[in-house]
Amino acid sequence: EVQLVESGGGLVKPGGSLRLSCAASGFTFTTYNMNWVRQAPGRGLEWVSSITTSSSYIYQADSVKGRFTISRDDAKNSLYLQMNSLGAEDTAVYFCARGLGGLFYYFDYWGQGTLVTVSS
Amino acid sequence: EIVLTQSPATLSLSPGERATLSCGASQSVSSYLAWYQQKPGQAPRLLIFDASKRATGIPARFSGSGSGTDFTLTISSLEPEDFAVYYCQQRSTWPTFGQGTKLEIK
Repeated sequence: EVQLVESGGGLVKPGGSLRLSCAASGFTFTTYNMNWVRQAPGRGLEWVSSITTSSSYIYQADSVKGRFTISRDDAKNSLYLQMNSLGAEDTAVYFCARGLGGLFYYFDYWGQGTLVTVSS
Repeated sequence: EIVLTQSPATLSLSPGERATLSCGASQSVSSYLAWYQQKPGQAPRLLIFDASKRATGIPARFSGSGSGTDFTLTISSLEPEDFAVYYCQQRSTWPTFGQGTKLEIK
């Protein structure tokens, strides 16, 4: 059974940093592109960042470019999102999601999400 | 950025009825469109990809159609567990999602 379990969310002050983690199991992690998608409270879904197999390519939404960094550790079957210079607009539930597709992706399995709240 | 517009915003129907949800793209996405279902407090679940292919384990009452800029998700006969929010998503370019359609019990 495919499982994705996020952790690392919490309350952080504006301008602060946070690192999210996603532990993957039930599939061959090294053969899948992985992603972060977020959802602000009561709002829709927003793709944040993607990382291909072997960390060959990284893609980011313009809204997080230069502030967020996606990475993966294939030995640990884990995905990460380092978030710096956080602002109120980054408050959201952050989902880890497995990618389905070629250059750009659908998201076929999702974690339960971890809430990031940016507030003073 | 490709903008996806979903309609209606809210759809009120009864169990057993047929649901038709629409998604329009600001430019052609070919058949690179997916549909997701999200229930309160849960992660989205992939229902349909490539416009018309059902994802693993999705019941046959869910079907998708369309290509280019106009897409439809049809639920042939609503079950109580189908009442949720539905999102479309394109992967023709950087992924974007529609704003969602809330399917509520009438």
